[in-house]
Amino acid sequence: DAKTTQPNSMESNEEEPVHLPCNHSTISGTDYIHWYRQLPSQGPEYVIHGLTSNVNNRMASLAIAEDRKSSTLILHRATLRDAAVYYCILRDVAGNTPLVFGKGTRLSVIA
Amino acid sequence: NAGVMQNPRHLVRRRGQEARLRCSPMKGHSHVYWYRQLPEEGLKFMVYLQKENIIDESGMPKERFSAEFPKEGPSILRIQQVVRGDSAAYFCASSPRKGANYGYTFGSGTRLTVV
Repeated sequence: DAKTTQPNSMESNEEEPVHLPCNHSTISGTDYIHWYRQLPSQGPEYVIHGLTSNVNNRMASLAIAEDRKSSTLILHRATLRDAAVYYCILRDVAGNTPLVFGKGTRLSVIA
Repeated sequence: NAGVMQNPRHLVRRRGQEARLRCSPMKGHSHVYWYRQLPEEGLKFMVYLQKENIIDESGMPKERFSAEFPKEGPSILRIQQVVRGDSAAYFCASSPRKGANYGYTFGSGTRLTVV
């Protein structure tokens, strides 16, 4: 799977939107962009995934650049429970390799 | 619909004993993945199984570790002759299909402590 680059940490105020960036300049045309998060002392949790178009679900939105070399996970209104490590992961369409977790972005939410 | 169930949640073993970690995937999921997270480190893939078959064990240590996913019953990750360095959180995940259009559902993990 192609490599992704994320900031080590970010900080947000409670109830404000958060934009978590991810660079994946070597993405191939068939790679899906997946986002997971891991809250303290818990297992990872699926957040969202997409291929080319922007995606929305109840947890977040995923904005994918037109050239697909970067994407942004958007939490519309951060809460204290959103404090977690967020992982941006690429997976080939066939899923021949399992999820490979990098270091992710540690998001702190300030009350 | 219950999520991925892992047990036990916490397991304490003395050096040299065996540890057996169990994972019941979500209903309808036939693909199981095991990950290990050492203290203050990232998640590392260990093994990928699909009913009765090991598909990818590239992340498994060569000795003492084994995994199975029988036709009936949960997936088992077995660690023989545990050492202090095996102390970690072990997470299991499942998915309904192999393709990238399907996400993984993770369990809450088993925290193994070797004393």
